[in-house]
Amino acid sequence: IQMTQSPPSLSASVGDRVTITCRASQSIATYLNWYQQRPGKAPKLLIYAASSLESGVPSRFGGSGTGTTFTLTISSLQPEDFATYYCQQSYSTAGITFGPGTKVEI
Amino acid sequence: QLLLQESGPGLVKPSETLSLTCTVSGDSISGTNYYWGWIRRPPGKGLEWIGSIYDSGSTYYSPSFKSRVTISVDTSENQFSLKLRSVTAADTATYYCARLGVAATGNWFAPWGQGTPVTVSS
Repeated sequence: IQMTQSPPSLSASVGDRVTITCRASQSIATYLNWYQQRPGKAPKLLIYAASSLESGVPSRFGGSGTGTTFTLTISSLQPEDFATYYCQQSYSTAGITFGPGTKVEI
Repeated sequence: QLLLQESGPGLVKPSETLSLTCTVSGDSISGTNYYWGWIRRPPGKGLEWIGSIYDSGSTYYSPSFKSRVTISVDTSENQFSLKLRSVTAADTATYYCARLGVAATGNWFAPWGQGTPVTVSS
């Protein structure tokens, strides 16, 4: 299953609402997760099962979607949110794939 | 608190085997409904899933690596390992280990190790 993300990068300001889209090459129901990776750091799980917020993740992060199209929304961008965001499908444990990433820049 | 830590050589020669170990602390690697996985990020590129292993030894490998990768687990040491054979410069990357949660609603990686950079060069 191939994953695409749009846009590849975006520029935004603190306080902006940001939306990132992830598309799968076939239906994956809600088997979609989102990760944040800050420069020089390990990826961090934000959202699992398309819309469930991981424990400890701020509520300004939200996920939605089902089937082939999913979105990650940051309701009010904070300085620590400037990072690269990846989607990951887990429709099959034997065939996990990540999207190419979306870099959120100032 | 569950912690994962990668270890291994930071420099590997072309055509040789890259070997990394992930040490898990804070919980047992066995007897839980989790897989354990390896993911990498080449410079300037995105994340790539390499493969995953269950404590029983059952493995899943990405088709991109299946012909030259072996992932194994040592429950007595609470570790799991990655061996990638016949490496080339394209295998230069930061390698991460992570726990893969398995649930009816999907599978996700959390937490992750801090990552270890590996360069393939003579």
